[in-house]
Parts: sequence; C-alpha cells; structure tokens
Amino acid sequence: QLQLQESGPGLVKPSETLSLTCTVSGGSIRSSTNYWGWIRQPPGKGLEWIGTIFYTGTTFYNPSLKTRVTISVDTSKNQFSLKLNSVTAADTSVYYCATLDYFDYYMDVWGKGTTVTVSS
Amino acid sequence: EIVLTQSPGTLSLSPGERATLSCRASQSVSDNFLAWYQQKPGQVPRLLIYGASSRATGIPDRFSGSGSGTDFTLTISRLEPEDFAVYYCQQYDTSPRALTFGGGTKVEIK
Repeated sequence: QLQLQESGPGLVKPSETLSLTCTVSGGSIRSSTNYWGWIRQPPGKGLEWIGTIFYTGTTFYNPSLKTRVTISVDTSKNQFSLKLNSVTAADTSVYYCATLDYFDYYMDVWGKGTTVTVSS
Repeated sequence: EIVLTQSPGTLSLSPGERATLSCRASQSVSDNFLAWYQQKPGQVPRLLIYGASSRATGIPDRFSGSGSGTDFTLTISRLEPEDFAVYYCQQYDTSPRALTFGGGTKVEIK
C-alpha cells in the first residue's frame, strides 16, 4: 500500500528557503499513473495547492507561488522535494505531500503532514 | 485561474439529516475534474468523490456527488456522527495546468 512521509525542518527563518522531502514507500515514484504534489494549510485555514511533478520532471505550479517554488524528483531515492524561497510568516503552514491520479487529478493518498513555522 | 466558491460556509444539522453542499466554479470545469475531500480536526484530508460523481474506495454510499460545468454538489443522505467535518472541493484546469481548492464548508452538529 502506497505511503508518503514528509520530512524537513520545522522552523525556518524569514527570507530563507523552506526545504521539504516526501519519501514514497509501497510503490514506485516512476509510476505512469501518478503525479506527486505538495499542498499546504495555514493554521485554521483551508487547503492550498502548491505544485505537482511527474517522475520525468514535468512540473506545474500554483501561479501565486510560481516565482518562489521549485519541486524536483529523485527517482533513485523514491523521493520528491519542495523548495520555497524568500519565506515569510504567511508561509507558516502544515505541508502535505500527496499523490495525484494521472488521469483525473484527484489526490487519493496523503502524507501525514509536517508543520513548518516561519519565525526568527 | 478557476476560482471555486463553496456554500454555505457552515451547515448546522442534526444526525440523520440530509446535507447538501455546493461548489460553484468561476468557469466550466474541464471533463468533470472535480473532487471532494473530508477533513476532520487534526487529520489529513480524505478523498470522498472524484470525477464529480465517483465514490472513492471505501466511501459509504450515503455520500454522493453530482453536477457538471460550473455547479457541483456533495450530498450526504443521512448524517452520521462521524460525518461532522470540513468538506473541500478541488478542481483541475487544463490550460493553464493548475489545481484549486474551494474555501470549505464546515458541517457542524446543531
């Protein structure tokens, strides 16, 4: 059964870069029927899609975050990663990784989420 | 960018009642790329419905999705105690490629 696990620092200073990794287990990130994505949720607020990647490296991003976001994939480690630069307090959120169905673009398997706080 | 507006913001109902949640898109949603998720406090979102009307694996049949174009509905036929949660709709747009979530509807116990 496919499982995803986020990892990375829980505290990032303002203006620095937030870096998170999602490790995929129970399946291959080279799947032809899955995209891989990042979603975040600020405290007490709704869900916001950050971006999505296919194992070939094809990406698409939320236009509102596009200038600050990079998502990459490491097929040798069965991982994909998120980098968000120039962070501010507004980037404080729970960050989730998830798998998206290749054909219908829904997210059916989610990681447990990791809380990232931006503070000096 | 397609904006999803969910209504009402909060729905106060009793167990056993029927819940009707709305998700309206600012433009037509391609090929019914519309999904619904349930999120309970402190928990991960759970997929309920995809393709506007297909139930995800293991989802009880009291949950149903309908709609097309710009208007979509999630119906819970008879609310169980475990159904009180926040519900989000999500769409995928093909051009430009992007996903968006609605702001959510909270279903609370009356």
